[in-house]
Amino acid sequence: DAKTTQPPSMDCAEGRAANLPCNHSTISGNEYVYWYRQIHSQGPQYIIHGLKNNETNEMASLIITEDRKSSTLILPHATLRDTAVYYCIVRAQGAQKLVFGQGTRLTINP
Amino acid sequence: DVKVTQSSRYLVKRTGEKVFLECVQDMDHENMFWYRQDPGLGLRLIYFSYDVKMKEKGDIPEGYSVSREKKERFSLILESASTNQTSMYLCASGGGDIRSSYNSPLHFGNGTRLTVT
Repeated sequence: DAKTTQPPSMDCAEGRAANLPCNHSTISGNEYVYWYRQIHSQGPQYIIHGLKNNETNEMASLIITEDRKSSTLILPHATLRDTAVYYCIVRAQGAQKLVFGQGTRLTINP
Repeated sequence: DVKVTQSSRYLVKRTGEKVFLECVQDMDHENMFWYRQDPGLGLRLIYFSYDVKMKEKGDIPEGYSVSREKKERFSLILESASTNQTSMYLCASGGGDIRSSYNSPLHFGNGTRLTVT
């Protein structure tokens, strides 16, 4: 699976949009971009995934660049409960496992 | 909603004990996984199973074994617990069918924090 690069930490004000970047410059054509988050003392929570089109669900939006070498997870109106470690993962279609990196520690400030 | 349930949130065992960590999922998923998570090392895959009675080694299988007798249940076994197995253990299920091109997310339980003294 392709390696991802994320900033180790970010801050965002409550109520603002949180934009979390991820670089995956060696991604292959059949590899999906997945985002998970982990709130302290809980298991990782699935947020969203996509292949090449932008995706949106009730939790977040995923913007993937046209060349697919990077993506951005957007939390449109961040709350204090969004404070967590966010993991960007690239996973081949049909691959069973996920390989986690170190993620981005996002802190939402009041 | 997918539910992955791990039998214990906290467990304290002594060195040399045999330890069973249990995980149950309610979504009829083919694939189930055991990870461990340690500070600075992130999540590492121990074992996974893609069908009943089938298992595959992950990245760090040494000192562990697994059992999948029923589709919904996946057990992690520490045959003789050691202090370096003190960790957070996470079970997951999902991921689609190996025989198809369907790509679906993994869903995790809330973890078992195991301390071996």
